[in-house]
Amino acid sequence: DTGVSQDPRHKITKRGQNVTFRCDPISEHNRLYWYRQTLGQGPEFLTYFQNEAQLEKSRLLSDRFSAERPKGSFSTLEIQRTEQGDSAMYLCASSLTGDGNTIYFGEGSWLTVV
Amino acid sequence: AQSVAQPEDQVNVAEGNPLTVKCTYSVSGNPYLFWYVQYPNRGLQFLLKYITGDNLVKGSYGFEAEFNKSQTSFHLKKPSALVSDSALYFCAVRDPMNTGFQKLVFGTGTRLLVSP
Repeated sequence: DTGVSQDPRHKITKRGQNVTFRCDPISEHNRLYWYRQTLGQGPEFLTYFQNEAQLEKSRLLSDRFSAERPKGSFSTLEIQRTEQGDSAMYLCASSLTGDGNTIYFGEGSWLTVV
Repeated sequence: AQSVAQPEDQVNVAEGNPLTVKCTYSVSGNPYLFWYVQYPNRGLQFLLKYITGDNLVKGSYGFEAEFNKSQTSFHLKKPSALVSDSALYFCAVRDPMNTGFQKLVFGTGTRLLVSP
């Protein structure tokens, strides 16, 4: 059973460019989460899917951010017109209903906007 | 809204000595509590959780945590620290009263430094 997989692990982009991150959750996990972590801080919730439905979005998720999980399996997080303030690690996590509420995280995708 | 406080930015301990990393929480009902560990440039690894039952829960790598409802605390402990335990530790809470959604709220983290 593989863990949560994220790609790319690192991305450097110029301000104003669009970037997309992909997350493959643990197989059969029906819940998928995106978090953002900046240096010296704990992860902050961005959004949550149950199967393909996006059920919750944080206020942190501005209009430039969009997340999808079209078939209820992998998910993508796109950031349009990146800003330097978007520089952070983007963490994907997944869980299975009834698994004692344990959420498992991937290795994260580092974004640096220059 | 739920919240977590980790009052220590860093904890220093000598190898072989016991360690404690502190966490206090605030939720409206009975909490679900978690500890995660993060190594440099890596994601978060699940260590242990408290949902219900015994106040002392055991987790990975010899770690354990004690739930104390009266003090609203969930301190992480290990009887004998290893240099390899040096990492960033996060406490997190979920408010089960919020049945519609399972958001975890994290503390700011505590850096554990174990010296040889």
